[in-house]
Amino acid sequence: GAVVSQHPSWVICKSGTSVKIECRSLDFQATTMFWYRQFPKQSLMLMATSNEGSKATYEQGVEKDKFLINHASLTLSTLTVTSAHPEDSSFYICSATPGLAGGPFSETQYFGPGTRLLVL
Amino acid sequence: GQNIDQPTEMTATEGAIVQINCTYQTSGFNGLFWYQQHAGEAPTFLSYNVLDGLEEKGRFSSFLSRSKGYSYLLLKELQMKDSASYLCAVRVGTRNRDDKIIFGKGTRLHILP
Repeated sequence: GAVVSQHPSWVICKSGTSVKIECRSLDFQATTMFWYRQFPKQSLMLMATSNEGSKATYEQGVEKDKFLINHASLTLSTLTVTSAHPEDSSFYICSATPGLAGGPFSETQYFGPGTRLLVL
Repeated sequence: GQNIDQPTEMTATEGAIVQINCTYQTSGFNGLFWYQQHAGEAPTFLSYNVLDGLEEKGRFSSFLSRSKGYSYLLLKELQMKDSASYLCAVRVGTRNRDDKIIFGKGTRLHILP
């Protein structure tokens, strides 16, 4: 089946630094990638939709200047948490879907393994 | 707004059957997913319902009623490894760029021996 990777899987950083998380689709081209955040014992909260070659669409309440998303190619999207603070500590998960935006979805959304961020 | 409700926690016994309910009120509906998520891991796909009715896949079945905004996930012959969170998620959006999945808070299922 399709594989989505994330790097790094774990990151610990000091408050005020920026952290970049990569999401790659390894064996398919992903027109659309999604970034989620999950706090302990909470469900996944969609942060933004990343479309290749265009600006990301952010969900209400998510600061686009703090969470920078770049989807420069059909296999890579990056999420940069700028000036990270302890409250940004969370589990960040990306997912990717192949094919055209708005096309058949069904079960073709593949999740990455997640990145656990701890900001000290 | 988007609202997806499911019980926070459930407990069942190994070998038994459990039904996890999900109700939703969303702007747009293009299908309902169920995912399983073990602690510290990413979700894994279980089922996807677009039409009303029951979809059976091995020990897991998923039911959808679009008119009632209701779905359930049925797990049979429970095994200890089924202890996990089960996430109900709805695909919403009416235009290509709005296509996305909204997750419920998840139901933590505890299996007792």
